[in-house]
Amino acid sequence: EVQLVESGGGLVKPGGSLRLSCAASGFTLSSYSMNWVRQAPGKGLEWVSSISSSSSYIYYADSVKGRFTISRDNAKNSLYLQMNSLRAEDTAVYYCARSITAAGRSDAFDIWGQGTMVTVSS
Amino acid sequence: SYVLTQPPSVSVAPGQTARITCGGNNIGSKSAHWYQQKPGQAPVLVVYDDSDRPSGIPERFSGSNSGNTATLTISRVEAGDEADYYCQVWDSSRDHVVFGGGTKLTVL
Repeated sequence: EVQLVESGGGLVKPGGSLRLSCAASGFTLSSYSMNWVRQAPGKGLEWVSSISSSSSYIYYADSVKGRFTISRDNAKNSLYLQMNSLRAEDTAVYYCARSITAAGRSDAFDIWGQGTMVTVSS
Repeated sequence: SYVLTQPPSVSVAPGQTARITCGGNNIGSKSAHWYQQKPGQAPVLVVYDDSDRPSGIPERFSGSNSGNTATLTISRVEAGDEADYYCQVWDSSRDHVVFGGGTKLTVL
């Protein structure tokens, strides 16, 4: 079964750091671009970051650029999101999602994880 | 920045056709994708590349994209179609993914 499972969410104080992980199974991670998308409580979807299959291309939303770092380890079939200098407005469910192809960019996201909750509060 | 505009809500009776629009400047030149999200669940891709359906998505779901509007059409609406729907495109001028604000579909 094709599956994505996120982990690493939790409660963190403003200014703190957190590292999210996304474990892929049922497919070869190296064949796809991957993405992080978040959803604040009661709000819509917000794209966070994307990374191409070989990590050659990385993109960030303006709201997280300079604070978040996306990375991947294809050998471990895992995707990561290092989040630093966290703010209250970063509070959200964070989803990892697979792009339909290796190229990413204009691709749709065809597989999504169940999400992990990040709460930034003092 | 590129903005996608969706109506906040659409209501339709069972068995009727629901049309959810996604407005954006010259969106017809981009590939539009649509997601369905039910409460407490992750989004599910229902239409990609304007009008293609992933395997397992009923033929009742279809899409079109031209000019400044992309449209998701759901025919013979069922109670189980009640959900939030989001459109998405790639903004090549800024290398950003853009989501619409979402539309809540209510089945009367």
